[in-house]
Amino acid sequence: AQTVTQSQPEMSVQEAETVTLSCTYDTSESDYYLFWYKQPPSRQMILVIRQEAYKQQNATENRFSVNFQKAAKSFSLKISDSQLGDAAMYFCAYRRTTQGGSEKLVFGKGTKLTVNP
Amino acid sequence: KAGVTQTPRYLIKTRGQQVTLSCSPISGHRSVSWYQQTPGQGLQFLFEYFSETQRNKGNFPGRFSGRQFSNSRSEMNVSTLELGDSALYLCASSARNRGNSPLHFGNGTRLTVT
Repeated sequence: AQTVTQSQPEMSVQEAETVTLSCTYDTSESDYYLFWYKQPPSRQMILVIRQEAYKQQNATENRFSVNFQKAAKSFSLKISDSQLGDAAMYFCAYRRTTQGGSEKLVFGKGTKLTVNP
Repeated sequence: KAGVTQTPRYLIKTRGQQVTLSCSPISGHRSVSWYQQTPGQGLQFLFEYFSETQRNKGNFPGRFSGRQFSNSRSEMNVSTLELGDSALYLCASSARNRGNSPLHFGNGTRLTVT
C-alpha cells in the first residue's frame, strides 16, 4: 500500500523568509501524481501545486515550488517570501494512475506552518 | 463558477442515530469523493462516485454509505452513529476520475456525536 510521510509536524518561518516542508512517499508504481494541499482554519483544502511523476521538471506556482526527487521518493515544498496568509496545515498527497481511472488520494499527516510577523 | 458546497456545516447527533451529509460539486464535475478527517487518523478516503456509480471504496464499515444523483450531487449516510464517527467530513469533486485531475474540496461538515 502506498504511504505518505511528513516528518515535520510543525514548522515556523519569519514573514518574507523561505521555508521548505518535507514529504516522502512509498510506492512501487512508476506513474503517479503528487500534490500539496493547504488547509487554513476555514477548513477548506486548497490545491497549492501538483507534480506528474513522468515530468522531470519541478513544478512551480508563483511563490511555491517543489523539489521532486523520484528515485529518492521525495517531494518537498518550498515557499518563498512567506506571507501571513500562508499560515495553515499543509498536506502532501499521492495519487496513482490506473486504467480504471479511479484512485484515491493518500495523504500525509500534515505539517502545521506558522508565519511570524 | 461556484465551488464545492457541503451542507450542513455543523451537525450534532447522538449515538445510535443516523445522519446524511450533502455535497454539490462544481458545475460540470462528474466525480465526487468523500474523506474523513480526524486528529488521530488524519485524512482517510471513504468512497468515490463517478456518473452515479461507486468506483472505489475505502476501508470503512458498512454503516458508511453514499450515493450520487444524475446531477452529480452526492450524499453520504452514516447509520448507528458511534462516538468515533465524530470528524470533519470533506467532499471533493473533479472533472474526470483520472489521476491528474485535481480534486477541489468543500469546506466540510463537522459532525459531533455525543
